[in-house]
Amino acid sequence: TQLLEQSPQFLSIQEGENLTVYCNSSSVFSSLQWYRQEPGEGPVLLVTVVTGGEVKKLKRLTFQFGDARKDSSLHITAAQPGDTGLYLCAGILTSGAGSYQLTFGKGTKLSVIP
Amino acid sequence: SQTIHQWPATLVQPVGSPLSLECTVEGTSNPNLYWYRQAAGRGLQLLFYSVGIGQISSEVPQNLSASRPQDRQFILSSKKLLLSDSGFYLCAWNGRGFYGYTFGSGTRLTVV
Repeated sequence: TQLLEQSPQFLSIQEGENLTVYCNSSSVFSSLQWYRQEPGEGPVLLVTVVTGGEVKKLKRLTFQFGDARKDSSLHITAAQPGDTGLYLCAGILTSGAGSYQLTFGKGTKLSVIP
Repeated sequence: SQTIHQWPATLVQPVGSPLSLECTVEGTSNPNLYWYRQAAGRGLQLLFYSVGIGQISSEVPQNLSASRPQDRQFILSSKKLLLSDSGFYLCAWNGRGFYGYTFGSGTRLTVV
């Protein structure tokens, strides 16, 4: 059973389009993070959200944490080829045995076509 | 500044051979350290984590082991590799009270 479900799994869009990817769970998370990973490299942290309803912006990227802290979304405005990559959400469970352990979704593979 | 080093970048090993992957962190002390494996279409799977020297927690039963001989050194090992051990192995760290992980650049292991 996948604790964090990401959708869509794959997304191919034209440069300049907007997009939203989702990260959903039936569990409550004390915090949730988004990473971007390029082929052959390790994931790079984009943002951490910790408060239900929190919205954070990073240039053209907008991240939202659900009110109940069970879901999150990433919205990209005017996508560029440099946004291409695998977007991973990861969370720390409120009732996890180890408070240091991140649980990852399978990711959304984004391709932005010039 | 803090950095994480992971090597080798790629490795091709025969079935039954031993494995040793090394990860070191610079610029911080007493980090939490993690080994993840990433298989295509399966996301990142936590293998081991460590909160201090000699303290190792295993998340899944497997053919692998981990050790932390020094504060900023984390080693992933196997005595005899299986075909199913192939994958992309990632080391990561974070500091106390900080949620975000910093990942190494990964090791692509192919067992043949």
